[in-house]
Amino acid sequence: NAGVTQTPKFQVLKTGQSMTLQCAQDMNHEYMSWYRQDPGMGLRLIHYSVGAGITDQGEVPNGYNVSRSTTEDFPLRLLSAAPSQTSVYFCASSEQGYEQYFGPGTRLTVT
Amino acid sequence: SQKIEQNSEALNIQEGKTATLTCNYTNYSPAYLQWYRQDPGRGPVFLLLIRENEKEKRKERLKVTFDTTLKQSLFHITASQPADSATYLCALLSSGGSYIPTFGRGTSLIVHP
Repeated sequence: NAGVTQTPKFQVLKTGQSMTLQCAQDMNHEYMSWYRQDPGMGLRLIHYSVGAGITDQGEVPNGYNVSRSTTEDFPLRLLSAAPSQTSVYFCASSEQGYEQYFGPGTRLTVT
Repeated sequence: SQKIEQNSEALNIQEGKTATLTCNYTNYSPAYLQWYRQDPGRGPVFLLLIRENEKEKRKERLKVTFDTTLKQSLFHITASQPADSATYLCALLSSGGSYIPTFGRGTSLIVHP
């Protein structure tokens, strides 16, 4: 099993550009989530999904969109990048929220 | 408001000693509490889960306690080694919630040889 994979590993965007961070898992987990991690702020929940077709907002959803058309994939879309979105983004999956399996992260810089 | 507090100052200890990390919370009714390890540049890795009706959980050199009256969990690493140096995160899952955990900010542990 590959576990949770994320692409790209690194990305630099200009303000106003849009992009999609990819996340996929091969463990057939129903629960998937996106977190951002900033120095001194810990992991903050952006969006999450409890199954295909079901998504909900977390603590810091503004500026991000998600969809969940399959169990395996949970992409995160930045609509119009801002410098405040410079961060490390982690995707995670789990069975009913128990043990979270995290991906390796995407380091995003917005200039 | 809900808060999860972990000591922001790094914990420095000597190899072989027991490291104890603290997680305090307010305005939560956690059904589960988890501990994760995070190494620089990597995603967190799950270590232990303890339920609200459990007082203590052990796994090899790791021990977690959970006191719902004090609203506190303690995470112990016995016979610590330099390889245990990392940031340790606690996470809470509320009863009746979404089963997506909320994380504390983590405490850095540095074990000196």
